[in-house]
Amino acid sequence: GDSVTQMEGPVTLSEEAFLTINCTYTATGYPSLFWYVQYPGEGLQLLLKATKADDKGSNKGFEATYRKETTSFHLEKGSVQVSDSAVYFCALSEGSGGYQKVTFGIGTKLQVIP
Amino acid sequence: DAGITQSPRHKVTETGTPVTLRCHQTENHRYMYWYRQDPGHGLRLIHYSYGVKDTDKGEVSDGYSVSRSKTEDFLLTLESATSSQTSVYFCAIGVHGQGEDTQYFGPGTRLTVL
Repeated sequence: GDSVTQMEGPVTLSEEAFLTINCTYTATGYPSLFWYVQYPGEGLQLLLKATKADDKGSNKGFEATYRKETTSFHLEKGSVQVSDSAVYFCALSEGSGGYQKVTFGIGTKLQVIP
Repeated sequence: DAGITQSPRHKVTETGTPVTLRCHQTENHRYMYWYRQDPGHGLRLIHYSYGVKDTDKGEVSDGYSVSRSKTEDFLLTLESATSSQTSVYFCAIGVHGQGEDTQYFGPGTRLTVL
């Protein structure tokens, strides 16, 4: 079956540091890939997505590239801020136009210290 | 803002009592989902709905039932709550069309079963 692997963390960085959160996946078909962010006490918000190989998703300074050859979708940001402290979930989705089977990673907690 | 609300936002109950959680959407989407979030597991699908009175099981459906009598409301019921059902519950809607196949999430309900 489908699966998503990411480290649980916590990942602790100083403000303005470079961020990478690794995400690898296994899937039977050609999934869409997502990063969601969860701030404390809130629901999951869509951060970015990519729907096919070599697509790059980007939002709020974050970016991730759909790499089919390495089955990866690593999240990067050049300079993190304290406000980026949150839990980040990598996910894949199969199905279109109807039922979507979404498989989530366990979430990576990011702590950014001033 | 995906127009999804959940109620209640927090609930404490005792083992053996029935509990109903409500998800409400304002945008008339056909697909709605219930997930639970637990440490080390990410999000896992409980049940989903593909229309009024049309529902199906997810991977962790035991002990849960759902109902959808109106497009905008999707109810999750724990018939007899157990401590293992202490979790954070998220509702999601599936947005499709114009090249988009994405799930958007509500703010969550934190349920504690004593």
